[in-house]
Amino acid sequence: DTEVTQTPKHLVMGMTNKKSLKCEQHMGHRAMYWYKQKAKKPPELMFVYSYEKLSINESVPSRFSPECPNSSLLNLHLHALQPEDSALYLCASSQVAGGNQPQHFGDGTRLSIL
Amino acid sequence: GQQVMQIPQYQHVQEGEDFTTYCNSSTTLSNIQWYKQRPGGHPVFLIQLVKSGEVKKQKRLTFQFGEAKKNSSLHITATQTTDVGTYFCADPTGTASKLTFGTGTRLQVTL
Repeated sequence: DTEVTQTPKHLVMGMTNKKSLKCEQHMGHRAMYWYKQKAKKPPELMFVYSYEKLSINESVPSRFSPECPNSSLLNLHLHALQPEDSALYLCASSQVAGGNQPQHFGDGTRLSIL
Repeated sequence: GQQVMQIPQYQHVQEGEDFTTYCNSSTTLSNIQWYKQRPGGHPVFLIQLVKSGEVKKQKRLTFQFGEAKKNSSLHITATQTTDVGTYFCADPTGTASKLTFGTGTRLQVTL
């Protein structure tokens, strides 16, 4: 069982749609992350939130908009996505942001852009 | 930029055979983490190595960190079908937990 919950598990959307991915953790972790993973590739970091503040944006296009409403929740708002954005989107958390912290991943949202 | 390469990309073994994946970084690592991702699943943290030359064991899994802290390995003794998945090393760089994953090694185990 994963302690990081992501919804929805699957999402199909058109290029003009607006949708949101949600992530929740109740481990008291203060760092949360979004990753993108294409098939047969490693996860690639998109965003890092530390104490509800955005601390890293890995030059992600503005059609992806992250939000951290509180220490347990992380959202990823999607708008005007492209077919190449189809991928598995993974949320993760760690106790704090720092180099010695293991990250706990959710099951991911499998996103398909038509 | 910083790169973390793993070899082999893929290995297919018979159950009971041993397996090793190697992780090589272009830069010196402060520490290294290992994750396992089952098919259709998410990465799961296995272990972290911090010290030069460190060796840690978890049942049939043995993890090593190189003396120069630029490489690491994961060895599985007597593989089982439950070992199937992709094994990633990962470099947790700096103070912001920017985790850079290695290219991964996919392990297939058959009876």
